[in-house]
Amino acid sequence: GESVGLHLPTLSVQEGDNSIINCAYSNSASDYFIWYKQESGKGPQFIIDIRSNMDKRQGQRVTVLLNKTVKHLSLQIAATQPGDSAVYFCADNAGNMLTFGGGTRLMVKP
Amino acid sequence: DAGVIQSPRHEVTEMGQEVTLRCKPISGHDYLFWYRQTMMRGLELLIYFNNNVPIDDSGMPEDRFSAKMPNASFSTLKIQPSEPRDSAVYFCASSETANQPQHFGDGTRLSIL
Repeated sequence: GESVGLHLPTLSVQEGDNSIINCAYSNSASDYFIWYKQESGKGPQFIIDIRSNMDKRQGQRVTVLLNKTVKHLSLQIAATQPGDSAVYFCADNAGNMLTFGGGTRLMVKP
Repeated sequence: DAGVIQSPRHEVTEMGQEVTLRCKPISGHDYLFWYRQTMMRGLELLIYFNNNVPIDDSGMPEDRFSAKMPNASFSTLKIQPSEPRDSAVYFCASSETANQPQHFGDGTRLSIL
């Protein structure tokens, strides 16, 4: 993922709405991608992953879309809940190491 | 099912002191990673091990940092001497293989005064 430096983008959504968090990666050799959720005071928590031979993968309330042509990854959260409030990171893997993006803060308004 | 366990959760010490951070990976995971997280630089990989052997330490900031993995269930990250700019949250993560999700501990929040 690409680092966004000091500024952490924030997405504010209404409870019950769908959320879409976007991420760009730079390494065209990356073949494995992961989304993590990080709550305050905790470590990043695995949400969902996708390999480069797929362009979409669904989990429980979450969907990851991969567009290798433009090196773009997105995480869709359906029916966003207050418990979804956190910082979300994408990570891409070329070789044995993950490269993390700078993160997006999701705020859910009740 | 125990996750990655890190200790201590918080550490406050004066500059110049030696700091040792500890990690117990998930049993059966062959890969162990040490990361540092700061507001300025985000999440940075410091070093990773495969089957207890250090594979890539190019992220270790300088010689004051060292990491060991004496066995499959334990790793340490040591800073000696510590400096205020080392203040950060340090995470340990483990994974079964290189292309499986890494599972993170809850980190050690380190403050160097």
